[in-house]
Parts: sequence; structure tokens; C-alpha cells
Amino acid sequence: NAGVTQTPKFQVLKTGQSMTLQCAQDMNHNSMYWYRQDPGMGLRLIYYSASEGTTDKGEVPNGYNVSRLNKREFSLRLESAAPSQTSVYFCASRRTLDTYEQYFGPGTRLTVT
Amino acid sequence: GENVEQHPSTLSVQEGDSAVIKCTYSDSASNYFPWYKQELGKRPQLIIDIRSNVGEKKDQRIAVTLNKTAKHFSLHITETQPEDSAVYFCAATKSGYSTLTFGKGTMLLVSP
Repeated sequence: NAGVTQTPKFQVLKTGQSMTLQCAQDMNHNSMYWYRQDPGMGLRLIYYSASEGTTDKGEVPNGYNVSRLNKREFSLRLESAAPSQTSVYFCASRRTLDTYEQYFGPGTRLTVT
Repeated sequence: GENVEQHPSTLSVQEGDSAVIKCTYSDSASNYFPWYKQELGKRPQLIIDIRSNVGEKKDQRIAVTLNKTAKHFSLHITETQPEDSAVYFCAATKSGYSTLTFGKGTMLLVSP
């Protein structure tokens, strides 16, 4: 199993450009998450999908949209990138609500200039 | 919602010393408390967790303790080694809840 995979690994955008971060898991997990990690701020939840067909806002959703394409895939879109969105983005998945462990992807380092 | 505070933000120890990282939480209904370790440039990975029906859990050199009354839990690492150097995150959640609330992290540096 590959676990949780993310593409791309690195990306540089100019202010105002758009892009989509891709995440996929092959563990048949129900729930998927997008976090951003900034120095001194820990892991902050952007959006999550508790199950296929549902998405909900997390702590810092402004400027982002998500799509739960199917059970395996959960994408994060930046419509008009801003320098404040420079961060490392992690996708994670969790099997069911009865199991708590979240498995993280390798991360995407995004720089917005 | 839940709020998790983590201290200290940085911790430097000598190899062989013990390290303790502390977290407090605000929601008395929280009942699951994991600890994640993140090495430089890597993804966070679960190292140990504890549920509210248990006061302490050990796994080799690491242990977690939970005080439900005071709403705090701690990570204890004994006989630290340079490979323990990493950022450690605590988190909290409750049954049936979809999301984890993370602390801001502690950077542990173990010097040889």
C-alpha cells in the first residue's frame, strides 16, 4: 500500500494564480482532511470530509475549496493564491469514526510570491 | 470548541536525560489523546495515544499520562537519544467526532 499520497511535492505560484493540490489514499478510509502547517502555529485544519459525499469547513477555510472526488481522492483548490497561503499542506485520512488515528501524506510545500 | 495548549514550545536536553511535554485541553468530553512525532521535512506520525478510561500508557521509552480532573496529559521520553529530536504534537478529540484539535507543537532537541 502507498498509504496517503500527495501531488505535487513543491509548487511556486504568483499572487492571483490558481492551483489544485491532489491527495489520494489506498487504505479504504472514510474520512479525509487537509491541514496547513506554519512555523509556530502547529497543524490547522482547513477542510475535511467525514465520509464520501460530505465536506465541512475547519479552522481556516477562507481562500480554499475542496472536492471529495470519490472515496480515495480529496483535492484542495486555491482559486486566487495569496502570499499568506505560503505554507506546507498535509492531507490525512482516517478509517472510521470508531478509529481515531490519522495517517498523513508527505506534504506539499507551497510558496506564493 | 476544543482548545489544546502545549508547553514548552522548545525543549533542549542532553542525550540520556528525560523529556516531558505537557498539554491541557478545554473540553471535558474529550476522550482520546494522541501524540504525533514529526521529523524535519517529514510527515507527522502517531507514536502513542491514550483514551480517557486509562491513566497511563507506556511503550518502551515513551509514556503518556492523563489527568482527567485537571484536563491535562503529558508525554514522557526517557533515556533520550539524538534520533528523538523532532517536533511533537499533542491532540484531543471525542467519540464520534470527526476532527482532531492539535497543540502548536514542541521542538525537542537532544544533544549528544
